[in-house]
Amino acid sequence: EAGVVQSPRYKIIEKKQPVAFWCNPISGHNTLYWYLQNLGQGPELLIRYENEEAVDDSQLPKDRFSAERLKGVDSTLKIQPAELGDSAVYLCASSRTGTGANEQFFGPGTRLTVL
Amino acid sequence: GQNIDQPTEMTATEGAIVQINCTYQTSGFNGLFWYQQHAGEAPTFLSYNVLDGLEEKGRFSSFLSRSKGYSYLLLKELQMKDSASYLCAVRDPGTYKYIFGTGTRLKVLA
Repeated sequence: EAGVVQSPRYKIIEKKQPVAFWCNPISGHNTLYWYLQNLGQGPELLIRYENEEAVDDSQLPKDRFSAERLKGVDSTLKIQPAELGDSAVYLCASSRTGTGANEQFFGPGTRLTVL
Repeated sequence: GQNIDQPTEMTATEGAIVQINCTYQTSGFNGLFWYQQHAGEAPTFLSYNVLDGLEEKGRFSSFLSRSKGYSYLLLKELQMKDSASYLCAVRDPGTYKYIFGTGTRLKVLA
């Protein structure tokens, strides 16, 4: 079974530029999460999808961040414009839906550096 | 509010036993999770507790006391490859949101 796939693995951009990250979850996983992780910190949820519906985006800075999961499978996370403080690792995770879904599977992450 | 506390860093010797503690104060509870994260890599699932008691899985065990808002991860027969960060996370029952602690960085010395 293939794991969660993310691309790119690394991205370096200048501030004020746009950037996009892509995630392909594990097949059959209806729930998809985007997290932000700063160095030495735990992951912080940005947005959670159940199929194509964003069920929790309360932590997403909507002035510059946007996300979509149009067909309930792949997802993209976009930042426009990027700021210096956005430098972090962006993790995508997926899990099966329902109360029995006990485990999130994480992708390798995208390490973003904003100069 | 939501708060999860873990020690920032621990050091132990190869072959020894180490216990990593986690305390939490959250508005709800639907399970406590431990993840291992090697530097530069994604977190990987280690254990899940939803009822009080000890869950054992090979060299790793996890304990939960819901009344005390307390969990620990026990690592036995430490190996060098166990050097990593260990993340404690609590799941909210209403939103299924996972709230992560800052992680405990474990260094295993030869």
